[in-house]
Amino acid sequence: DSGVTQTPKHLITATGQRVTLRCSPRSGDLSVYWYQQSLDQGLQFLIQYYNGEERAKGNILERFSAQQFPDLHSELNLSSLELGDSALYFCASSADGTGMETQYFGPGTRLLVL
Amino acid sequence: AQKITQTQPGMFVQEKEAVTLDCTYDTSDQSYGLFWYKQPSSGEMIFLIYQGSYDEQNATEGRYSLNFQKARKSANLVISASQLGDSAMYFCAMREGGSAGGSNYKLTFGKGTLLTVNP
Repeated sequence: DSGVTQTPKHLITATGQRVTLRCSPRSGDLSVYWYQQSLDQGLQFLIQYYNGEERAKGNILERFSAQQFPDLHSELNLSSLELGDSALYFCASSADGTGMETQYFGPGTRLLVL
Repeated sequence: AQKITQTQPGMFVQEKEAVTLDCTYDTSDQSYGLFWYKQPSSGEMIFLIYQGSYDEQNATEGRYSLNFQKARKSANLVISASQLGDSAMYFCAMREGGSAGGSNYKLTFGKGTLLTVNP
């Protein structure tokens, strides 16, 4: 158990819908990262938050957005869903104090868009 | 160019034998970190081992060791005494140094190697 929690574990929805994925980082970690894992694209970085502020953006679609709350949990919002958004979405956290801290991954949310 | 290359889509090993999973990387940063993660069929990503670019000794964690050859830009994972439970997808990842005062510490992943341990 990495200490990172993600809910829900599975999500099945229809095209055009909107969903919210939730992540709680390990105790004490200030940074949250979101990654998408799909068969065709592999594991891709989406977005990073550090202590409530957006730190970096990767290959995140405009239909997707995220935020990190004062208690450091984070939510990833996916809207106007398309079939191609079906993937495993991971949240990871790290302390990110001084450098190369390890990122610990949550169990993931498996999203299926029908 | 790909930043992380894992050339072995699949590998087979006999139980109790050692296996090496290859990883080469590409970066112009002096400061970077290399990570290996294991993803079993259940889907979670499990951190295995880390090597910093300035570390002079190869990292080891139990049965896992990282064969770090900086000049060749390779960071191969060695699993000794393979167990059936080692059957999984293995990902090599790199975190580059980033800029001072607010860095992006994202991980860039390779495509993975599917390891199968045979009894």
